[in-house]
Amino acid sequence: KAGVTQTPRYLIKTRGQQVTLSCSPISGHRSVSWYQQTPGQGLQFLFEYFSETQRNKGNFPGRFSGRQFSNSRSEMNVSTLELGDSALYLCASSLGHAQLETQYFGPGTRLLVL
Amino acid sequence: DQQVKQNSPSLSVQEGRISILNCDYTNSMFDYFLWYKKYPAEGPTFLISISSIKDKNEDGRFTVFLNKSAKHLSLHIVPSQPGDSAVYFCAAFYNQGGKLIFGQGTELSVKP
Repeated sequence: KAGVTQTPRYLIKTRGQQVTLSCSPISGHRSVSWYQQTPGQGLQFLFEYFSETQRNKGNFPGRFSGRQFSNSRSEMNVSTLELGDSALYLCASSLGHAQLETQYFGPGTRLLVL
Repeated sequence: DQQVKQNSPSLSVQEGRISILNCDYTNSMFDYFLWYKKYPAEGPTFLISISSIKDKNEDGRFTVFLNKSAKHLSLHIVPSQPGDSAVYFCAAFYNQGGKLIFGQGTELSVKP
């Protein structure tokens, strides 16, 4: 069974630009969550999508948005990039909402904002 | 406000000895706790969990202890092996909140 895939793996952008990250969950998984990992803050929850609906949202500004498609693939968008947005962005998929032990993470997209 | 804290950014242990990773939390609503392990260039992988109705859960070399009154949990690895070298994250969850809150991580280094 293929794991969670994220594209691109690495990305360099400049301040003010916008970026779209993609996550393909494990086949059959309907829940996709996004996290931001930075050295000082650890992993911080961004949002969760289940069956194309946002189920939950973390404490991030509106510049961070996401969506989920009918095939469960998810995209995350960050507009008007700031230097502090440089981080590893991880997505995780699970069969259903809050099925934590069966939540599998992708390898992440490392974003550098210059 | 960091609801889940791992105050030790790093820990170094000799192979064969016990590794103890600690985690503190502030929100008494948390009812489920998990530990994840992360190698470089990979996503975190689930290691072990514990429900708030228990105080201990064991899985092979890994044991998680929960002290609800102290709002503290710990992960014990016995015996530690070089392959255990990774970043360990603790995470907490409560149903009403619906989201997993992670600590900052502790980098464990097990030396041969």
